[in-house]
Parts: sequence; structure tokens; C-alpha cells
Amino acid sequence: EAQVTQNPRYLITVTGKKLTVTCSQNMNHEYMSWYRQDPGLGLRQIYYSMNVEVTDKGDVPEGYKVSRKEKRNFPLILESPSPNQTSLYFCASSVTGYYGYTFGSGTRLTVV
Amino acid sequence: AQRVTQPEKLLSVFKGAPVELKCNYSYSGSPELFWYVQYSRQRLQLLLRHISRESIKGFTADLNKGETSFHLKKPFAQEEDSAMYYCAPPRYTDKLIFGTGTRLQVFP
Repeated sequence: EAQVTQNPRYLITVTGKKLTVTCSQNMNHEYMSWYRQDPGLGLRQIYYSMNVEVTDKGDVPEGYKVSRKEKRNFPLILESPSPNQTSLYFCASSVTGYYGYTFGSGTRLTVV
Repeated sequence: AQRVTQPEKLLSVFKGAPVELKCNYSYSGSPELFWYVQYSRQRLQLLLRHISRESIKGFTADLNKGETSFHLKKPFAQEEDSAMYYCAPPRYTDKLIFGTGTRLQVFP
């Protein structure tokens, strides 16, 4: 089944403790992207990648890192999480943006 | 700057009433626009893309270049249409940036 898989689905962590949210797609898509979803703010793009080793900042990249060493994986790294990064995170991929994105199930992160 | 605006945060209608979810964009070129839907506690799903001129779940959307709009319409709302709807504006350097979304509530 074609899908985007995120892990974990839920995560509670403490301020400053590094964490990684994984994202994997099995559709050989070139484009991948991370979003955070907050009430009243909609979806905001954190980082996106157009291909292996090609990444760029979205609208809210501060406090996040990404890497794209393989086509299928696009992990989101929070080196030193803070409470304002408590949010619902979505990973998405697309063969190109022209056809729209396929989204993962989301990761609900709480930083205390 | 390229923008998309969804002016309504919440739209409430009764079952069977017509629905129009508004989306306006600012873009000087040829836009490629999408509507996404997010049902409660689920992932976003692509609902419509204007290039294909599809009708999915009774929804349609027409690109109006004169008004720079891509409103989502359905003639008779159903309770199962209750969800968050996001308009995705013109693709810009492969960034897909969403509007702030409109929550549609359909009452029985």
C-alpha cells in the first residue's frame, strides 16, 4: 500500500531532550515536506526537500533540522525541544507538487 | 508575496443546505490549486485539484482568474462533510503552503 509513515504517533518529552520524528514513504516520491498544525494557525511548513541532499527552509524552520540522505526518508530533528514546539506534526510527500501531496498520520508532540 | 486567504474560520450549515468555502489567492502566473480535507483526528487528504476538474464527494471548485478565487462548493451538505478544509495556493518553488483552513460544521 502506498503510504507515508510517521513515527511515533504520540510523544511526550521534556525541554531540551533531543528527539527525532521519522518519516518514510514507499512511493519513490522526490518531494517531501514537514508541517506543523496549530489551532487557529492552520498548517505551516517547517522544511521541505526536493530530492536527496536537497532541503530548504519553510516558513517556521527555527528550532528544527532535517536531513534527506535517502529518497524514502525525511526525519525531523528537534535538537533542544521547547514547549512552544508542542504541536501536531505532519510529513507529506509528492511525486511533484503538481499532483498534490500524500500525508502521514501525524505525530502529536508535547514538550513539558 | 504570494498569498492564499480563507476568510472564514468556521462555516456552519444545516444538512441539505448549499455550501461554499471561500479561497482567494494572489498570484500573477497560472495557478495550480488544490483543496485538502481533514476529517476529525485523521490525516489530510487531497480532495480536489483544479487542473483535473474533478467532482469528489459532490464537491466542485472552479478557478476564477478574474476574481482570483478557487471556492469549494457543494449543493447539498451532508453531516459527513464536517471537517477542516484547506486551500493550497499556487505552487511556488515547490513549497506547498496552505491557507489557515475553514472548519465546516454540518448540523442535522
